Amino acid sequence: QKEVEQDPGPLSVPEGAIVSLNCTYSNSAFQYFMWYRQYSRKGPELLMYTYSSGNKEDGRFTAQVDKSSKYISLFIRDSQPSDSATYLCAMSLYNNNDMRFGAGTRLTVKP
Amino acid sequence: DTAVSQTPKYLVTQMGNDKSIKCEQNLGHDTMYWYKQDSKKFLKIMFSYNNKELIINETVPNRFSPKSPDKAHLNLHINSLELGDSAVYFCASSDDRGGATNEKLFFGSGTQLSVL
Repeated sequence: QKEVEQDPGPLSVPEGAIVSLNCTYSNSAFQYFMWYRQYSRKGPELLMYTYSSGNKEDGRFTAQVDKSSKYISLFIRDSQPSDSATYLCAMSLYNNNDMRFGAGTRLTVKP
Repeated sequence: DTAVSQTPKYLVTQMGNDKSIKCEQNLGHDTMYWYKQDSKKFLKIMFSYNNKELIINETVPNRFSPKSPDKAHLNLHINSLELGDSAVYFCASSDDRGGATNEKLFFGSGTQLSVL
């Protein structure tokens, strides 16, 4: 079993839809949970960062962490074509040195 | 201004060659990293380096070596390239001077390495 599982998709939705992206993990010691967005031929950029359990909202994006279920989610409201990218979940125990990434979910938002 | 820049963007080479990828960051960060992203998009850390220590992922072959001429640069040198080294290599940096863990990572645009 991989430490971090993420459905690679691809996921295609119409513009304006609510998108739900998810990851599960096996190591209950993870404390830091992140979502990165990666456009084609670009490096990942940090979207959301959460420490421990709970929700965090930033504009159209909401990150949820459920440590009891070892499950994290990213919701995108009112999705836009510019949201079309690969979304990678990431998590770590202590710092960037032990970060584990999911495989990424490729999202396409159609106008 | 590009925060983390790496060159070249594409690198095509023969098996057995030695090659280098350069990385520079103008963010004033104290920690730099090299990541490898394989064809299935898995990102794995290879090295992290600040002026105090080099941390090496134990799975990285010793054919790979990071070289840091100064705080703003971390180059990746690869000896005796193999077919399995084909991947996209990302440089990244973060500012860990505040002592907080998991400061934001800033990634470069990647170098696509193809070994023939």
